[in-house]
Amino acid sequence: KAGVTQTPRYLIKTRGQQVTLSCSPISGHRSVSWYQQTPGQGLQFLFEYFSETQRNKGNFPGRFSGRQFSNSRSEMNVSTLELGDSALYLCASSLGGDNTEAFFGQGTRLTVV
Amino acid sequence: AQTVTQSQPEMSVQEAETVTLSCTYDTSESDYYLFWYKQPPSRQMILVIRQEAYKQQNATENRFSVNFQKAAKSFSLKISDSQLGDAAMYFCAYRSAPTFTGTASKLTFGTGTRLQVTL
Repeated sequence: KAGVTQTPRYLIKTRGQQVTLSCSPISGHRSVSWYQQTPGQGLQFLFEYFSETQRNKGNFPGRFSGRQFSNSRSEMNVSTLELGDSALYLCASSLGGDNTEAFFGQGTRLTVV
Repeated sequence: AQTVTQSQPEMSVQEAETVTLSCTYDTSESDYYLFWYKQPPSRQMILVIRQEAYKQQNATENRFSVNFQKAAKSFSLKISDSQLGDAAMYFCAYRSAPTFTGTASKLTFGTGTRLQVTL
């Protein structure tokens, strides 16, 4: 069974640009969550999607957005990139329902220059 | 809002010895889940062990066990017979219990403990 796949693994962008990150959950999983990991702020929750609906959102500016497709694949978009957006972005998938175990991808390392 | 605190930024243990990582949390909820995740240099978060708050029995997974003290809001991880492969960042995480409207999968993480394993 394939795990959670995040693409790309590494990304370098310039300030002011926008970026889209992709996450393919484990087959059959309907819930996808996104986290930002930085040395200063640690792991912070961005948002969660379940069956194409955003169910929960963290405390991030509107420049951070996401969506989920009918096949449960999810994308997150960051517009008008700032240097402080440099981070490891982790995606986690779970079955949803009462199942609580989240499986993480290897992350996308975003560097903003 | 829930908070998770890991007060040990770094720990070191000799191979084959036992080490305990500490975690405390704050919540007003009575039903929730607690997790320990391991993040090796490959960066992928791997679930080590989980504990349901309604269960009094401490969870155990092979060499990993927890000491869950609900009243004290404490959730420590014990690693027995430490191995070189156990070297990683360890994160304690909290998640609310599912609601009748559907689950919310948000995990609240602590700041992590870097575990070194020496020969």
